[in-house]
Amino acid sequence: QLQLQESGPGLVKPSETLSLTCTVSGGSISSRSFYWGWIRQPPGEGLEWIGTTYYSGSADYNPSLKSRVTIFVDTSKNQFSLKLISVTAADTAVYYCARTIVATNFYYYYMDVWGKGTTVTVSS
Amino acid sequence: QSVLTQPPSASGTPGQRVTISCSGITSKIGSNTVTWYQQLPGTAPKLLIYSTNQRPSGVPDRFSGSMSGTSASLAISGLQSEDEADYYCASWDDSLNGYVFGTGTKVTVL
Repeated sequence: QLQLQESGPGLVKPSETLSLTCTVSGGSISSRSFYWGWIRQPPGEGLEWIGTTYYSGSADYNPSLKSRVTIFVDTSKNQFSLKLISVTAADTAVYYCARTIVATNFYYYYMDVWGKGTTVTVSS
Repeated sequence: QSVLTQPPSASGTPGQRVTISCSGITSKIGSNTVTWYQQLPGTAPKLLIYSTNQRPSGVPDRFSGSMSGTSASLAISGLQSEDEADYYCASWDDSLNGYVFGTGTKVTVL
């Protein structure tokens, strides 16, 4: 059974870099059938897609975050990671990683397995 | 900002049918299918409906999805207390070149 687990610091200072890792167990991140993504949810708010990556290293990002985000894969560790630079209080959120299924031309696109989420607070 | 608009809340008594709309399906989204997620209080979202009207294994058949014009809908028939949760629609937006979630609907079982 596939499981995803987020890990990383729970507190980040403003202007610094937020770094999170998602460890995949029960399946291979190198599978050609799946993509791997990050989604976040600020306190009391809705869901926001951050970006998605593939085992090959290619990635798509939310245009509103693109200048600050990098998502990359480490196939040797069966992990993928998120880096978000120059954080502010607006980046405080629960961050989720998720396995993503994507069709050609994005006809269908959905997250079918989610991690439990990790809370990141941006504060000095 | 989300381009997919949902009513902030919906409610019903046990056994009733509740429908949640997801509007703003423009021509740039309309060529792509819609997904619905259920988020129980304090938990991660869960895939509920994919490809507009398909249920993953394990999702009860009282949950159903449909599309009409520029709006998608999620229907919950035979509402149960365990259905009390937040529900989000989502789809790939070709014009934004990104995945967008709806604003979310909180369903309350009275």
